[in-house]
Amino acid sequence: GAGVSQSPSNKVTEKGKDVELRCDPISGHTALYWYRQSLGQGLEFLIYFQGNSAPDKSGLPSDRFSAERTGGSVSTLTIQRTQQEDSAVYLCASSLYQGFLGEQYFGPGTRLTVT
Amino acid sequence: AQSVTQLGSHVSVSEGALVLLRCNYSSSVPPYLFWYVQYPNQGLQLLLKYTSAATLVKGINGFEAEFKKSETSFHLTKPSAHMSDAAEYFCAVSGADRYSTLTFGKGTMLLVSP
Repeated sequence: GAGVSQSPSNKVTEKGKDVELRCDPISGHTALYWYRQSLGQGLEFLIYFQGNSAPDKSGLPSDRFSAERTGGSVSTLTIQRTQQEDSAVYLCASSLYQGFLGEQYFGPGTRLTVT
Repeated sequence: AQSVTQLGSHVSVSEGALVLLRCNYSSSVPPYLFWYVQYPNQGLQLLLKYTSAATLVKGINGFEAEFKKSETSFHLTKPSAHMSDAAEYFCAVSGADRYSTLTFGKGTMLLVSP
């Protein structure tokens, strides 16, 4: 079946502009995660959605970052007033169950470059 | 709180040689441990996971890892490297409760030479 998809695959934007990154999880997966992958820094957890519960936003680095998940499916990560340090690959993952119970399935990522 | 340390940002082996990627963890609660692999321009894929059953865990592509509580380690091994194993490998830790999220290490790039 279809895996996790993300769009766009690449995004180049000017400093100060807003960007939206999209994630389509695997159908039926209740949990959705966003991570940021910077060169040499591994994966940094950003935000996590589980069903209709309030999201865990503990990993968002600043109030310029926000995310929503509509209808328990598609998610959008928004970065306002982008800065050069926001340049990274943004990965989305979904799992059937929350936490360790479910293997996380990752999308291919969106490579964001802020010039 | 949990953390993961992967020793060596790059590991180079010859084809057919033993692969050993090191991972040490820190956790205030009994941990669940994972190894993920990332091939170029792709997302991460689960290799194997330890969830408090057998301490020796076998995964895909001939990889295995052993949970050693006394050493707080979860090293990844493969007896004989193949060219197709060249990728970045991430160790991750989670608490053993349903609300835990994964904390990843910084990754180790495995290079395989002919």
